[in-house]
Amino acid sequence: RKEVEQDPGPFNVPEGATVAFNCTYSNSASQSFFWYRQDCRKEPKLLMSVYSSGNEDGRFTAQLNRASQYISLLIRDSKLSDSATYLCVVKEQAGTALIFGKGTTLSVSS
Amino acid sequence: GAVVSQHPSRVICKSGTSVKIECRSLDFQATTMFWYRQFPKQSLMLMATSNEGSKATYEQGVEKDKFLINHASLTLSTLTVTSAHPEDSSFYICSANIRNTIYFGEGSWLTVV
Repeated sequence: RKEVEQDPGPFNVPEGATVAFNCTYSNSASQSFFWYRQDCRKEPKLLMSVYSSGNEDGRFTAQLNRASQYISLLIRDSKLSDSATYLCVVKEQAGTALIFGKGTTLSVSS
Repeated sequence: GAVVSQHPSRVICKSGTSVKIECRSLDFQATTMFWYRQFPKQSLMLMATSNEGSKATYEQGVEKDKFLINHASLTLSTLTVTSAHPEDSSFYICSANIRNTIYFGEGSWLTVV
């Protein structure tokens, strides 16, 4: 069965905190990896793609470990606006559908 | 602006009736569209893959006779929930594969009463 597993959460952190989310995927042949953000009752939006070399976009850093089939997302200096559900997403091959994890809910408080 | 548009955003229907949800690719052709369903606090679950001009491919456990998918043109796919029941109440969302990038519609909230 195709699966993407994530930390259950929720994560409740103060502003300025650093928070890390983890994810594992079951299909070792998966080709593409992403983190999406979903706000309450809205469609998911692409946060960033994830590469083995690691990639950073401002306060967000994503990392992929193919050997362990493990994906991570690090958020530094958390803002109130970061409060959302973060979805770990895998694409097994070009042209196929995205496979979503259940998501991890982050709540940043002042 | 939006690349994929979904309509309606919210719909309430009576049990036993059918509801049609439209997913349109704006300005671009999409030979493949995907339909997902999301129950509260659950993940987006793929229901089916819609291919223009051919029958949709349904995921295991999804009733093809209940969830009718039509992809008659390169810019429009429709999902019809037939004989809807309260347990079909959910968030339905489409996505389109356009030039190897996935774009999502805004989603449709279906409530069956």
